[in-house]
Amino acid sequence: GQNIDQPTEMTATEGAIVQINCTYQTSGFNGLFWYQQHAGEAPTFLSYNVLDGLEEKGRFSSFLSRSKGYSYLLLKELQMKDSASYLCAVRDSNYQLIWGAGTKLIIKP
Amino acid sequence: IAGITQAPTSQILAAGRRMTLRCTQDMRHNAMYWYRQDLGLGLRLIHYSNTAGTTGKGEVPDGYSVSRANTDDFPLTLASAVPSQTSVYFCASSDSEEADTQYFGPGTRLTVL
Repeated sequence: GQNIDQPTEMTATEGAIVQINCTYQTSGFNGLFWYQQHAGEAPTFLSYNVLDGLEEKGRFSSFLSRSKGYSYLLLKELQMKDSASYLCAVRDSNYQLIWGAGTKLIIKP
Repeated sequence: IAGITQAPTSQILAAGRRMTLRCTQDMRHNAMYWYRQDLGLGLRLIHYSNTAGTTGKGEVPDGYSVSRANTDDFPLTLASAVPSQTSVYFCASSDSEEADTQYFGPGTRLTVL
């Protein structure tokens, strides 16, 4: 079966750095996505990785290792507004997105 | 630019009733999707459409139907609602099935009693 694993919840301090991990087992791989979802709102796109390595976009970076079936999202200089759920999704061989359950990130002052 | 709109925002429905959730996008995207999101589970694909006039089944299609008469609209119908269909429903679109990004509507919170 297809499976995306990410921690259920993480807590971090304002101004710090946090790394959210995602491991996957899917039928085929056509890219990995990270989305941010604030409570009661729609998911919004953060990053996309299809090749191994690090993609940096401002305070957010995303890393992919296809051989290990592993990705992480790195958030730097955490702000209170970063409190949200972070969703990892893999596009499989049928070009459908398989979603993890999400990691709820709690930022404390 | 509105992006994707969904209606209604929320609905309480008696079991056995028929219900259509509406989704409209103004980005001229070819592909559209319906997901449900339940606590503790990832988004699950119900149905999708890669282009107007075509639809396909996702991971959890039973009890739901869709149509895609034109590019902009992608309604989701529950023919006879059951309590297990209580969920938050998100519509999404992308330029193509291979495109990088899916854009999501604000969601419909549906409660079936």
